Amino acid sequence: SAVISQKPSRDICQRGTSLTIQCQVDSQVTMMFWYRQQPGQSLTLIATANQGSEATYESGFVIDKFPISRPNLTFSTLTVSNMSPEDSSIYLCSAEAQGGEKLFFGSGTQLSVL
Amino acid sequence: QKEVEQDPGPLSVPEGAIVSLNCTYSNSAFQYFMWYRQYSRKGPELLMYTYSSGNKEDGRFTAQVDKSSKYISLFIRDSQPSDSATYLCAMRGSKGNQFYFGTGTSLTVIP
Repeated sequence: SAVISQKPSRDICQRGTSLTIQCQVDSQVTMMFWYRQQPGQSLTLIATANQGSEATYESGFVIDKFPISRPNLTFSTLTVSNMSPEDSSIYLCSAEAQGGEKLFFGSGTQLSVL
Repeated sequence: QKEVEQDPGPLSVPEGAIVSLNCTYSNSAFQYFMWYRQYSRKGPELLMYTYSSGNKEDGRFTAQVDKSSKYISLFIRDSQPSDSATYLCAMRGSKGNQFYFGTGTSLTVIP
């Protein structure tokens, strides 16, 4: 299995500021993803982090709000920009491993915006 | 209609009980099925993985897939308080396709 380290684990931020979440995988992986998890809802895919090219965003998510970097096959960052209370959520980094059949997750970042 | 439906619970059982968790889905193209366990303030942990139909057993856990009914189940035998968590089902069609998740079922095992 892939071990994914994600930080920070939680943060409380002021409205209008930005937070960058880091994700490190213990092995090279092709596909990395960022999800948002809100209470009572299924995981929502924000974007696919592509190595060496721009991320692919899902409907409702834009690069200006959620810029993503993927400088190599083991690391990615997600920035939540110009935050508002509506951005309060758990953000999860994930990666495909073992031939692309299984999806593994980091420990998550609990974000609260005041 | 949602791609994946999962009863959110909460489900509360006594220690030692057999727990049954279920998901239904609408897309007959789904082939890869997973169950995740998520403890409070942690990320989802892959618990069981099944390709196509059939059963898979791992210790106290058994995953079943019935593609004809578009129904998957996770059974937990001899449930323990440490099994108290939220259980998420997930599935996808082919490799490279998007994963679809249930909303999760909250389970509490009472000592």
